Order: sequence, then structure tokens, then C-alpha cells
Amino acid sequence: EVQLVESGGGLVQPGRSLRLSCAASGFTFDDYAMHWVRQAPGKGLEWVSSISWNSDRIGYADSVQGRFTISRDNAENSLYLQMNSLRAEDTALYYCAKGGAGSYWTLDYWGQGALVTVSS
Amino acid sequence: QSALTQPPSASGSPGQSVTISCTGTSSDVGGYKFVSWFQQHPGKAPKLMIYEVTKRPSGVPDRFSGSKSGNTASLTVSGLQAEDEADYYCSSYGGSNNVIFGGGTKLTVL
Repeated sequence: EVQLVESGGGLVQPGRSLRLSCAASGFTFDDYAMHWVRQAPGKGLEWVSSISWNSDRIGYADSVQGRFTISRDNAENSLYLQMNSLRAEDTALYYCAKGGAGSYWTLDYWGQGALVTVSS
Repeated sequence: QSALTQPPSASGSPGQSVTISCTGTSSDVGGYKFVSWFQQHPGKAPKLMIYEVTKRPSGVPDRFSGSKSGNTASLTVSGLQAEDEADYYCSSYGGSNNVIFGGGTKLTVL
């Protein structure tokens, strides 16, 4: 059974940093692309970032480009999102999602999310 | 890139069919086969219902179907059931190493 468990969320002041983690199990982690998607309270889904299986292809939404860094450790079956210079508008539930088999851009399994609140 | 356009709400009675649209451009929805639909119940994570425009993951009822015409993709739910009441989101590859989501549609089963 595919499981994705996010951690590292919390309350942080504007301008500070936070690192999210996503522990994956139930599939061969280094065979698949991975994604971060966020959802602000009461709002819709917003794609944040994606990383290929071997980290050679990475993409970011314009809203986080230059502030967030996605990475992965295939030996540890883990995905990360380093978030710097956080803003109030980054407040959201952050989901980790797995890319599909043969379809990088299909997000086929999602974790339950980690809540990030940016406030002074 | 702008979000894909979905109607904010849709509704139907049990047993009826309802179709939700998702409009983009030739640079996203119209240009690629990577259109997906997600169902999200309150307080829950999104669940993949349709991928690559028309394909259903294992376990998703065949009451759910997807299609695309030009720059508009559609999700049809046939034989509506009470448990289908949820928010539905479309997504598409955006053409620039990115994914674009629609704004979401709240489906109400009357």
C-alpha cells in the first residue's frame, strides 16, 4: 500500500525558514517523480514543485521560485521542501504526491498534508 | 500561467448525470494528454479519479468518465450517489515543467 507521510509543518514568522519532509513507503521510491502541492485554507489546489526520479528535472511555481527548494533522498525514501523567506501567503496545507507510472504529470497518490502557518 | 477555469458549483439528483468542465488553452489542456481529475471530500486529501484525459485508476467506479475537446476537458459523473458530493479539481501539464490546477467545482447531490 502506498503511503506518504508529511512532517515538519508548524507556525513560523514571516521571513523565516521551514523544511518539510515526506516519508514514502509501499512503492519503489526511486522509480517515480514526486510533487508538492499546497492548499490555502478554504481555497483550491496549487502546484508548488516537482522533481524527477533522479533529481535531474526540477520545476517550481512562479510564486515560490527562488525561495523554495525541492530535493529527495532515494536511499531514505524521502522527499523534502526547503522553504525560505516565508510569507503570509505561503500559509497552506502542503501535500506530497507521487508521480504516476509512465506519467510524470499524473499525481496518483497523496499524503494527508502538513500545515504551514506563516504569521507574526 | 493562469489557473484552469471550472464552474464554482454543479448539482444533480441521485441517479442523474452531471458534467463538470475545465477550460484551458492550447498551451496546456489542448496541447497535452496529461489532464487529471481529483475528488476531495472535506478534510481529506485529494483522490485521483481520472488521468490522461480518459483513464480510470483501479478502484474508481466506471460512473466516472473523462473526455476532452479542444482546450476544454470534462468530467462526467453518471448515476449520481450521495457519496459523490465533494469538490472536484482538474489539472493539466502546463507545458513548462509545471502543473496547472483548476479552481475547483463543488458538486452537490440534491
